[in-house]
Amino acid sequence: DGGITQSPKYLFRKEGQNVTLSCEQNLNHDAMYWYRQDPGQGLRLIYYSQIVNDFQKGDIAEGYSVSREKKESFPLTVTSAQKNPTAFYLCASSSRTNEKGNQPQHFGDGTRLSIL
Amino acid sequence: QQQVKQSPQSLIVQKGGISIINCAYENTAFDYFPWYQQFPGKGPALLIAIRPDVSEKKEGRFTISFNKSAKQFSLHIMDSQPGDSATYFCAASSRRDNLFFGTGTRLTVIP
Repeated sequence: DGGITQSPKYLFRKEGQNVTLSCEQNLNHDAMYWYRQDPGQGLRLIYYSQIVNDFQKGDIAEGYSVSREKKESFPLTVTSAQKNPTAFYLCASSSRTNEKGNQPQHFGDGTRLSIL
Repeated sequence: QQQVKQSPQSLIVQKGGISIINCAYENTAFDYFPWYQQFPGKGPALLIAIRPDVSEKKEGRFTISFNKSAKQFSLHIMDSQPGDSATYFCAASSRRDNLFFGTGTRLTVIP
């Protein structure tokens, strides 16, 4: 089955610790995205990547880092600089924008990060 | 500043009724308007999407109505069922921008 796999489903972080969330897709999509979801605030874009070895900051990139070494993978690191990391993190992917416009984003089932 | 404003925040509908969720935007460059459905503990799933060259799009019990002049679009769920109980998000984007999401509507359909 084609899709997006996020792991782990639940993650706990200690103070001062960096943690990495995994996102893998087998949809052959060029673009990948990371969102943060908080109650009552919808989804906010953290980072996105349109192509391998390139990525851009979204609206709330501070305290986060990413890499895009492979087309299928887009891991997100929540650093100790992120002071309020407790949230539901969602990864998405899509085909590149074409002559018809933006393409649908498909989401994984998320990772819930909590502070110990 | 919220690029896409969504209302209501929550909605309770009787089984068989019509659920209506509204969204408004300001950026006239937006040209893609998807709706997502999210169940607890799951990621959002694309439900239906519309581009501004049409005023309405229907897929089964789900219909998007789009009013370009008013910069508004809405989701109608006909014959609402308890299985439709979920959180619904509208979103908008342009070729230059990524998706901007509304704040979500929690729909509860009462049997």
